[in-house]
Amino acid sequence: QKEVEQNSGPLSVPEGAIASLNCTYSDRGSQSFFWYRQYSGKSPELIMFIYSNGDKEDGRFTAQLNKASQYVSLLIRDSQPSDSATYLCAVEEDSSYKLIFGSGTRLLVRP
Amino acid sequence: GAVVSQHPSWVICKSGTSVKIECRSLDFQATTMFWYRQFPKQSLMLMATSNEGSKATYEQGVEKDKFLINHASLTLSTLTVTSAHPEDSSFYICSASLIAGGPYNEQFFGPGTRLTVL
Repeated sequence: QKEVEQNSGPLSVPEGAIASLNCTYSDRGSQSFFWYRQYSGKSPELIMFIYSNGDKEDGRFTAQLNKASQYVSLLIRDSQPSDSATYLCAVEEDSSYKLIFGSGTRLLVRP
Repeated sequence: GAVVSQHPSWVICKSGTSVKIECRSLDFQATTMFWYRQFPKQSLMLMATSNEGSKATYEQGVEKDKFLINHASLTLSTLTVTSAHPEDSSFYICSASLIAGGPYNEQFFGPGTRLTVL
């Protein structure tokens, strides 16, 4: 069974710090990877996607992908209390367009 | 960005009744729509994939006769929970995607429907 693994947390960081969220996946054929943010009671919203090895930066967010290690991460710089949410890693299943979601990591940014 | 709506946003029903949830892509034509279910403190679990004009593809363990999906047009998919029971109480989320054959296919999520079955 194809799996996406995340540490459930909570990950607690002080305001202004860098938050590092990690995700591993089992399907070697996966090509596209997504990070979603989900606030309590709301649906997920896309933060970033990445499909090439290496880093991809968008504002305070950087996604990192290492397909050889089957590892994808999200760095949040200058963390703000408003970043407190659950972050879901999603992997597009090879050739199916379906997303497999991890269980999410809860991030708490302390003021 | 693309907007997906869901209706209703929440619903409370009695055990044994059926509930219909609508998912609409408001500003684009979605070739594929997905239905997810999320229980408290758990992740999203894909229930089924729906393509316009064809039968939905259900994930293993999801009863197709209980969760009826109709994808009548490129902008509308419906999920009907038939003979709902308390264990069906959950957060149901749809997403819509334009499968364009590119390196990725972004799914645009609706705001979700919270179903409570008494």
